[in-house]
Amino acid sequence: DIVMTQTPLSLSVTPGQPASISCKSSQSLLHSDGRTYLCWYLQKPGQPPQLLIHEVSSRFSGVSDRFSGSGSGTDFTLKISRVEAEDVGVYYCMQNIQIPRTFGQGTRVEIK
Amino acid sequence: EVQLVESGGGLVQPGGSLRLSCAASGFTFSDFTMNWVRQAPGKGLEWISYIGTSGSPIYYADSVKGRFTISRDNAKSSLYLQMDSLRAEDTAVYYCARGTFYWGQGTLVTVSS
Repeated sequence: DIVMTQTPLSLSVTPGQPASISCKSSQSLLHSDGRTYLCWYLQKPGQPPQLLIHEVSSRFSGVSDRFSGSGSGTDFTLKISRVEAEDVGVYYCMQNIQIPRTFGQGTRVEIK
Repeated sequence: EVQLVESGGGLVQPGGSLRLSCAASGFTFSDFTMNWVRQAPGKGLEWISYIGTSGSPIYYADSVKGRFTISRDNAKSSLYLQMDSLRAEDTAVYYCARGTFYWGQGTLVTVSS
């Protein structure tokens, strides 16, 4: 199974400041079709996870451009350019190149 | 608008069974692969099963293999999860998900005597 490792596990951010979350996979997520299968989700308190980013850097419909994804191979990053109060929650990376799908442990983001 | 609505959760004794349903709307259900993902209380996300558009292929996490059965009825735009031989560690919110993109609100399964 592919192990997904997120750092940090928690983050306290001043509103308006940037934030960054790292996700590393134990195997390359680059498929033979040329695509890299790494997603980012945000789970707000009391809600199901919502997709932010798919295929490393493609923002899902309706997602703020404050969110951006980057990386390749086994190293990936989610950046929030200016954190807002509504960004509070737990962020998960997930690989969907292989079964079983596997998630990172989650990174809890709170506002200072 | 894509909607996924899970139902069928509840309290069940260890060793018991439960059948979860996921009603889909707002898209052509038969065109999309589906997944079940669960989240134990206060814990992270765990993928547990996948089903292809026509009912195959099917995959399971090792933690549920041999006990859970995923199925779908494209005519009814519905996804199912038959859960047998339930254990305390199966206690979780169960989400159905359309591929990786859309998730339902989840249904809580509690396994306890």
